Amino acid sequence: KNEVEQSPQNLTAQEGEFITINCSYSVGISALHWLQQHPGGGIVSLFMLSSGKKKHGRLIATINIQEKHSSLHITASHPRDSAVYICAVRYPGNQFYFGTGTSLTVIP
Amino acid sequence: DAGVIQSPRHEVTEMGQEVTLRCKPISGHDYLFWYRQTMMRGLELLIYFNNNVPIDDSGMPEDRFSAKMPNASFSTLKIQPSEPRDSAVYFCASSRGTGSNEQFFGPGTRLTVL
Repeated sequence: KNEVEQSPQNLTAQEGEFITINCSYSVGISALHWLQQHPGGGIVSLFMLSSGKKKHGRLIATINIQEKHSSLHITASHPRDSAVYICAVRYPGNQFYFGTGTSLTVIP
Repeated sequence: DAGVIQSPRHEVTEMGQEVTLRCKPISGHDYLFWYRQTMMRGLELLIYFNNNVPIDDSGMPEDRFSAKMPNASFSTLKIQPSEPRDSAVYFCASSRGTGSNEQFFGPGTRLTVL
């Protein structure tokens, strides 16, 4: 059973477009992470959220605790943003669950 | 800062052989995580340590898998005996403060069991 749902699974965008990736989870969480996995396989942690909103450069992450939903936004997308974006949640009791990832391709 | 270091980067072995994966976390980080990634199952948490003590190993698939952290700068993940279904990329990550803080990932070890 997958505790974390991501959408869309695949996304293709033109350079410059605004991109949104969604993540939903089933019960209350301790924290939510957004990860970026590059085509070469390396994983980078983008954000860790427990409430509200965080911004780093062109990336914005929001979380709505009541609706059990988080979004990752990319403004002015660029081909170098092409990667797989993974949502991960940590539930009380220390269980981690991962979404299946969203594969993003930004076309020049 | 060298980041999280994993070795080897690639390992090819035959079914039944023992495999040992190694990880050096970032200095000062008190949490260490072992993950496995496959096409079928995506990323999965296998086990994590806090201050060298295993906290949650419920993700370890079976008794063939074991992990140790003898000191703050070194951890191993061992598979004995290995099976073809163990083929995956194994990532190590570390973080500081709490288990929910930002994690820094190593480059991964790609394991192929023939």
